[in-house]
Amino acid sequence: DQQVKQNSPSLSVQEGRISILNCDYTNSMFDYFLWYKKYPAEGPTFLISISSIKDKNEDGRFTVFLNKSAKHLSLHIVPSQPGDSAVYFCAAKLNEKLTFGTGTRLTIIP
Amino acid sequence: NAGVTQTPKFRILKIGQSMTLQCAQDMNHNYMYWYRQDPGMGLKLIYYSVGAGITDKGEVPNGYNVSRSTTEDFPLRLELAAPSQTSVYFCASRGLPGGPVGEQYFGPGTRLTVT
Repeated sequence: DQQVKQNSPSLSVQEGRISILNCDYTNSMFDYFLWYKKYPAEGPTFLISISSIKDKNEDGRFTVFLNKSAKHLSLHIVPSQPGDSAVYFCAAKLNEKLTFGTGTRLTIIP
Repeated sequence: NAGVTQTPKFRILKIGQSMTLQCAQDMNHNYMYWYRQDPGMGLKLIYYSVGAGITDKGEVPNGYNVSRSTTEDFPLRLELAAPSQTSVYFCASRGLPGGPVGEQYFGPGTRLTVT
């Protein structure tokens, strides 16, 4: 039973354009949602989060949107840069534990 | 601060062998976690600890054991290695007070192959 799903395994975006990564969840009890970025041979690093009571959180080029009724969140990166090429994981928090999606590999094309 | 460190980086085990994956953090974090990541999959929680002397099972604990005798260290033990345990293992930690967000800090991972 996958409680957090990222249905797009990969995404390619032109440099300077917007990257949109999507995530769906099934458990309405999750209280926070987080995005992690992972480069090859490294551990994931925290990028941005959103509380379940908010619908938007922005941090520089990164914005996360939450649609609770649809149980859907998305990460927007504007403008996309070559250094953004990585695997992005969506995670949902409940009781100090995180449940991760399967990740989306983002490739920024120069 | 070194953050979260893991040793070894790589290891090849034969079926039935045992080993301990080491994890240490120097941030005085209370919470520590062990995850495994299989190819094309997300991270799955194996075990976690909320403080020294306290551990609990995650989603996929079978075949593993943990201990937490100090705040800094959280080793993961594989007793009888099986090919299904071939994976990349990540250790993570989280401090308190760290706010409600729950962000965890990850080590660089240990790539384990069981043949």
